[in-house]
Amino acid sequence: DAGVTQSPTHLIKTRGQQVTLRCSPKSGHDTVSWYQQALGQGPQFIFQYYEEEERQRGNFPDRFSGHQFPNYSSELNVNALLLGDSALYLCASNPGQGPLHLHFGNGTRLTVT
Amino acid sequence: EDQVTQSPEALRLQEGESSSLNCSYTVSGLRGLFWYRQDPGKGPEFLFTLYSAGEEKEKERLKATLTKKESFLHITAPKPEDSATYLCAVRAGGTSYGKLTFGQGTILTVHP
Repeated sequence: DAGVTQSPTHLIKTRGQQVTLRCSPKSGHDTVSWYQQALGQGPQFIFQYYEEEERQRGNFPDRFSGHQFPNYSSELNVNALLLGDSALYLCASNPGQGPLHLHFGNGTRLTVT
Repeated sequence: EDQVTQSPEALRLQEGESSSLNCSYTVSGLRGLFWYRQDPGKGPEFLFTLYSAGEEKEKERLKATLTKKESFLHITAPKPEDSATYLCAVRAGGTSYGKLTFGQGTILTVHP
């Protein structure tokens, strides 16, 4: 039973560029959330998708956007990258009904130079 | 605004030396307090969910407890493989239901 999978595992981009990160949720899960984890910090909530709609959003600028597809997979897009966007980006999934805890992938390490 | 504070920031133990990690929280309508373990370069791995004050959960050498203001993760006779960052998170009710608010984590190192 595959857990949450994310791609790519590592990425290096230049300031001002755009990036797309991808996530496949755990089998049977229909809700996907994205978190940003800076070095030495806990994860911070970016947004959550359910039924292909953004259901809730954290304190992140509009440069951060996302999408959920009919198969429940999801993308996170970041435009006009800043040095401060360098972080580990974590995708998490959970069933819409059932246990509240999230299942996390191993993340995408984004470095902006 | 929901807040989670973990202490200490780092903890170094000798193998077999029991200790506790603290998670203090303020949240509007707690809908769950979660403990995760995170190894370097990996995503957080779920350990426990606690829902109400007085609740306790155990798994191997770990035991989590919950009061109305804080949670403790007790580690009994730790082994080097327990070395990791331990994260605490809360889920609030109402319009914040969808997100988890995390603390900054406690880095645990267990020496043989």
